[in-house]
Amino acid sequence: DQQVKQNSPSLSVQEGRISILNCDYTNSMFDYFLWYKKYPAEGPTFLISISSIKDKNEDGRFTVFLNKSAKHLSLHIVPSQPGDSAVYFCAASPYNTDKLIFGTGTRLQVFP
Amino acid sequence: DVKVTQSSRYLVKRTGEKVFLECVQDMDHENMFWYRQDPGLGLRLIYFSYDVKMKEKGDIPEGYSVSREKKERFSLILESASTNQTSMYLCASSFRLVGGLPSSTDTQYFGPGTRLTVL
Repeated sequence: DQQVKQNSPSLSVQEGRISILNCDYTNSMFDYFLWYKKYPAEGPTFLISISSIKDKNEDGRFTVFLNKSAKHLSLHIVPSQPGDSAVYFCAASPYNTDKLIFGTGTRLQVFP
Repeated sequence: DVKVTQSSRYLVKRTGEKVFLECVQDMDHENMFWYRQDPGLGLRLIYFSYDVKMKEKGDIPEGYSVSREKKERFSLILESASTNQTSMYLCASSFRLVGGLPSSTDTQYFGPGTRLTVL
């Protein structure tokens, strides 16, 4: 049973526009959420996170929004750049554990 | 900078062989993890360890075992490799959360991955 879902396997966005990546979860015991970015032939790298006590966290061009009632989070990238082209994984951490549950990933392509 | 290294980038093995994947981290992290990444399935946790000689099963431990004899090193063992174990294997490490909500410093840091092909 997939507890963390990324329903869009791919997304294509023009350079300079906004990219919105979505993630849904089912477990109300998740209290920390993260986004990782992965280039081909490399390991995932941490991008941004948000705890369950917040509804927004911003870091430069990246903003993560959390809607706890809808069990939904999203990553906004604005403006999108070609170097943002990668696979993005959302992940969630259950309360009082160091484990992460990952989604299936969304491949973002930013074209000129 | 955190560094997580994996012993091989690419491996080709035959069905039935015993396979060792090694992971080393240099940040004195208590936690270490092994995942596999497959298309359409994301990252799935195989095993993790929160201390030397300690291990816990993840979501897909069948066909795998692990060893953690030293804090910095975590090995994944395929006792008898099968073709359905062809995958990208990723190792990660992190500090152990001692209480409260995590922060960005508590994230997992990943190695570059080992692409294993079992023929």
